[in-house]
This record gives sequence, structure tokens and C-alpha cells, in this order.
Amino acid sequence: GAGVSQSPRYKVAKRGQDVALRCDPISGHVSLFWYQQALGQGPEFLTYFQNEAQLDKSGLPSDRFFAERPEGSVSTLKIQRTQQEDSAVYLCASSRTAQNNEQFFGPGTRLTVL
Amino acid sequence: GENVEQHPSTLSVQEGDSAVIKCTYSDSASNYFPWYKQELGKRPQLIIDIRSNVGEKKDQRIAVTLNKTAKHFSLHITETQPEDSAVYFCAASKRGNEKLTFGTGTRLTIIP
Repeated sequence: GAGVSQSPRYKVAKRGQDVALRCDPISGHVSLFWYQQALGQGPEFLTYFQNEAQLDKSGLPSDRFFAERPEGSVSTLKIQRTQQEDSAVYLCASSRTAQNNEQFFGPGTRLTVL
Repeated sequence: GENVEQHPSTLSVQEGDSAVIKCTYSDSASNYFPWYKQELGKRPQLIIDIRSNVGEKKDQRIAVTLNKTAKHFSLHITETQPEDSAVYFCAASKRGNEKLTFGTGTRLTIIP
């Protein structure tokens, strides 16, 4: 079946603009994660959903970052008033159940804030 | 919170030789340890994982070992091939909180 997909793949924003990044997880996957990957670094956790419930948002860097998954499937990560330090690749991952299982990653959205 | 350290940051080996990458973790409650391979501009892909109830797992040329007492785990790639060149990340998570804490990555280069 289809893997995790993300859109857009690339996004250029002017500082101060709002952006919305979309993640389509693998159908039926319960858990969904967002990670931020800076250039040359490992992915860093942002937030985690189990179905529609956001169980952990401890990794969100500021209140400018907001994520939702209203129907327990597609998720959107929104960044308000983007700053240059927000430039990174935003990765979405999903896993089949709520227990530790393989996380399947999407291709990421590369955000560049000018 | 969990802290995962990974060494070395870069590794070059001759084709056909073995490569070893090591990680340590800080949270003794961590019980799941995956390894991801990421090629330039691509998504991370799981290559092998291990849970805390086993000490070693092997899949063809790839193996992972886990020492719970010392809180470290290692990736072993034997008979390396040019297509093994990539960045490898270790990670850890624990029951009840699936989020992965990643190491800083190892850039592996296989020299033909």
C-alpha cells in the first residue's frame, strides 16, 4: 500500500508568514508523529497523536507551533509568524499501534524561511 | 528526558570490510532501539530494531547488539557495499511513550 506522504515537499516562506504542512499517514495507523530535522542533525521530536488525541506536545519549540489531527487520520502542522530558525525538514511518521512499533517516515517538507 | 549519543560521526571503510556504529542511552526505561538509514534528501528508513528482551538480532549483513546494563547498543554491517553509504541514526523509545530520541548520526562512506 501507499506509504506516508507529505505536502508540500518544499516550502519557501518570508519571515512572519504562516505555513501549514500536511501529513497523510499509512491508512489505519493509530500513531502519528512530527519531527524536525535541522541540516546535518538527527530528527527531533515535536508532537505525537494517538488517533485524534494529541498525547505529547512537549517538543514543540514555541506557541507558534500547532498541530492537529481532527479525524484521527490526516495531520497538519502549522507554524505561525515563521522565523529563520524554523528552517528545517519537517518529518511525519506513523506506526500501526500504540505500542512501540516501527515508525514509517514520510519524505518530509523542507521549509526555508527567508 | 532521554539522551542518545552516537559515535563516530563519520566513518569510512573499504568495500568488503565491516563497519560498527555505537550508541549509548541514558534512560534505563527505554526498551526499543531502532536503527534508521537516511540517504541524502530521502526519508529515514528502518533497517533493523531490537527490543530490550533480547541481546542481539541479525538480518543478513546487518546485526544489532544491546547491553542493557551498560546502556549501549551497536550496529554492525559486514561485507560492506557501496550502496551502504548513507547517514545512519540510532534511536531509543520507551513503553508508554513512543516518541523516538535520535542520536546525531554517523555518515558512513564505503570506499570502492
